[in-house]
Amino acid sequence: DTAVSQTPKYLVTQMGNDKSIKCEQNLGHDTMYWYKQDSKKFLKIMFSYNNKELIINETVPNRFSPKSPDKAHLNLHINSLELGDSAVYFCASSQDWGKSTDTQYFGPGTRLTVL
Amino acid sequence: GEDVEQSLFLSVREGDSSVINCTYTDSSSTYLYWYKQEPGAGLQLLTYIFSNMDMKQDQRLTVLLNKKDKHLSLRIADTQTGDSAIYFCAEGESTFGDGTTLTVKP
Repeated sequence: DTAVSQTPKYLVTQMGNDKSIKCEQNLGHDTMYWYKQDSKKFLKIMFSYNNKELIINETVPNRFSPKSPDKAHLNLHINSLELGDSAVYFCASSQDWGKSTDTQYFGPGTRLTVL
Repeated sequence: GEDVEQSLFLSVREGDSSVINCTYTDSSSTYLYWYKQEPGAGLQLLTYIFSNMDMKQDQRLTVLLNKKDKHLSLRIADTQTGDSAIYFCAEGESTFGDGTTLTVKP
């Protein structure tokens, strides 16, 4: 059973389009995250939700909107896609928030290419 | 603010030991982590160390922690070509280093 799953695995789209990436975890965790990994492989946190509430919102364009319908899901919607949005987006989850004892479990990543 | 730094590249020969270094700034972290990312794959938790430990060994992996200097290292003994990957040091929930790309030459 996959602990953290993301769909789609690959997404190729035109500039200006709106797209969503879905993430689901079946670990019963309370906290979920979205990370962006750019072409240089640098990994940066974008958002974190704890019990469906936004905890971290780093400096991310407001074209990116996370949505958490329940604790097991954290979807990422991106409006008006730009070339610079091309990256691999990783979803992750952990049991709780605020405890550095919590290990994060990562999804396989979604490779987004904006043409 | 919190920051984690790593050197970006490391190249070793198969059979040698690899040492990947990391420095961090937040001394309140209870655990520090090492993640591995193979080409085209997601992040995989490799190992972690509790902050009151100096060393943790797990088969070919040895983690050393110097709390005074805020320095963390990952040693891979008898490095194999399958160890070629990017290794991320992390503290807490959201602070990752930029990753060290390990290349193992035959």
